[in-house]
Amino acid sequence: QKEVEQDPGPLSVPEGAIVSLNCTYSNSAFQYFMWYRQYSRKGPELLMYTYSSGNKEDGRFTAQVDKSSKYISLFIRDSQPSDSATYLCAMSVRNDMRFGAGTRLTVKP
Amino acid sequence: TAGITQAPTSQILAAGRSMTLRCTQDMRHNAMYWYRQDLGLGLRLIHYSNTAGTTGKGEVPDGYSVSRANTDDFPLTLASAVPSQTSVYFCASSDLGSPEGTDTQYFGPGTRLTVL
Repeated sequence: QKEVEQDPGPLSVPEGAIVSLNCTYSNSAFQYFMWYRQYSRKGPELLMYTYSSGNKEDGRFTAQVDKSSKYISLFIRDSQPSDSATYLCAMSVRNDMRFGAGTRLTVKP
Repeated sequence: TAGITQAPTSQILAAGRSMTLRCTQDMRHNAMYWYRQDLGLGLRLIHYSNTAGTTGKGEVPDGYSVSRANTDDFPLTLASAVPSQTSVYFCASSDLGSPEGTDTQYFGPGTRLTVL
């Protein structure tokens, strides 16, 4: 079993839809939880990070962490074609970071 | 601010040849990392360095070596390339001990390497 599991998709939604992306993990020691966005042929860029359980909102993006269930989510409201990318979840204990395989999202106009 | 630069952007390499992938950061981060990204496997850590002068092995270190002579540069060397090293290589850096405590990693644009 991988330490971090992420459905690779692909996921295709119409513009304006709410998108839900999820990861599960097995290591209860993880403390920091991040979402990276990666456009085609580019490096991953940090989208959001959260510490421990709870919600964090930034514009159209909301990150949720449920440590009791070892489950994290990223919600994208009013999705736009520019949101089309691969989304990677990541989690760490200090700088020991583990990544999910990434979910490829396409938002169609 | 440039952030992290990597060179070359892409390379085709004959099996058995050596190559050094370059990585430079201008954020004065103390920690740097090399990952490879393969379809379906995500990002896997090759080597890391928490500070200049020290390095450590990641999840997939075999066939690769690194050095960290100064804060800004972290080259990755393939001594004798094999086709299984065909991948996209990303360099990253982070500020260990940052006030927010996240040690968030910032990535370069990547190097696409094909070993034939």
